[in-house]
Order: sequence, then C-alpha cells, then structure tokens
Amino acid sequence: KQEVTQIPAALSVPEGENLVLNCSFTDSAIYNLQWFRQDPGKGLTSLLLIQSSQREQTSGRLNASLDKSSGRSTLYIAASQPGDSATYLCAGTSGGSYIPTFGRGTSLIVHP
Amino acid sequence: ETGVTQTPRHLVMGMTNKKSLKCEQHMGHRAMYWYKQKAKKPPELMFVYSYEKLSINESVPSRFSPECPNSSLLNLHLHALQPEDSALYLCASSQGDRFSYEQYFGPGTRLTVT
Repeated sequence: KQEVTQIPAALSVPEGENLVLNCSFTDSAIYNLQWFRQDPGKGLTSLLLIQSSQREQTSGRLNASLDKSSGRSTLYIAASQPGDSATYLCAGTSGGSYIPTFGRGTSLIVHP
Repeated sequence: ETGVTQTPRHLVMGMTNKKSLKCEQHMGHRAMYWYKQKAKKPPELMFVYSYEKLSINESVPSRFSPECPNSSLLNLHLHALQPEDSALYLCASSQGDRFSYEQYFGPGTRLTVT
C-alpha cells in the first residue's frame, strides 16, 4: 500500500525566506503528482500538477520537482510571504491506480 | 473561491436523520469526486463519477449514497450516520478522472453527527 511522508510536519519562518517542502512515496513508481494548499477549515487549492511525462512544474514563486527514481518530490517556495501560511499537501497516484494517496501535510507559518 | 460550490457549509444531524450534501460546478468538467477529511488528517477519496457514472467507490459504507443527476451536480445522501462520520466533506471536479488533471475543490461541508 502506498504511503506518503511529508517533511517537515510544521515550519515557522520569517518573511522573505526561501523554503523547501519534501514529499516521499514508498512506491517510487509515481504516475501523477499534485501539490495543494489548504487554509484552515477550507477546501484544497491545486498549486502544481506534475503529469507522468514531466519532471518539474513552475508557477510564479512556486517550483515543484519529481524524482521518479527515488519517489521524492520537492516544493520550493521563493521569497515567502505571510499569505503563504497554510498547510501544503502532496498527493500522487502509482501502480496503475487512479486513487490518489495524500500526505499528512506540512503546516507553514510565515511571520511578517 | 473556486468554481465548485458546496451546500450547506455546515450541517448538524442526528443519527436517525436523512440529509443531503450538494455540490455544483460549471467548468464543464466530466469527473466529480467526494472526499472525507477528518481533523488533522489528509483527505480520503470516497467516490468518483466520470461522465455521470460511478467509476470508483472506495468501499464506503452504504449509509453514504452518492448521486450524479447531471454533469454539473453531485449529491451525497446521508442516512443513519454515526458520530465517527463527523468530518469535512469535500467535493472536487476535474477534466478527467485519472488524476492527470488538476482537481478543483469546493470549500467543503462541515458535518457533525450527534
């Protein structure tokens, strides 16, 4: 059964720092992977989607990469802002399944 | 807010009640999803509809009954729920059902079963 680990579980940083969030899958044969953010008590917002033929995606200050040999993905947030404060979740499919497995998330607080 | 709306936003129901959660999207997406999220936990997929047909049921108890009346609407009918069913219920939609498309989530319905 696929399991997803997100490190760190929580992160508190001053505004302006560059951040790296990590996501690791026990089954490295990841097919599709998405990064989401979730504000408290709210739904999820898709940030970046890495499809099966891709290795990296960028949107504004966000960059996500996927290393299929190790089953690891990294979300890079440049020049963090207080508005980036949220929980960041990764989710992926593997093994021919279309059922996504989610990580437990990284809770991020960016201080002004 | 995305193009996915959910009603009601909050619901309190007793174990003998029957209620329904509603979800609507107008993005022309052909796949719609129900997820359940307990506090401090990641979302868990419950059902997937593709082209208005149920394509995935993740062994969800029969007290949860999904319905897709048309391509824009998705309902979740609730009956004889248990207190442990209290959670945030999230609806999502995407262009296709293979997780190879971005998923757009609604704000969720916070359900409390008493």
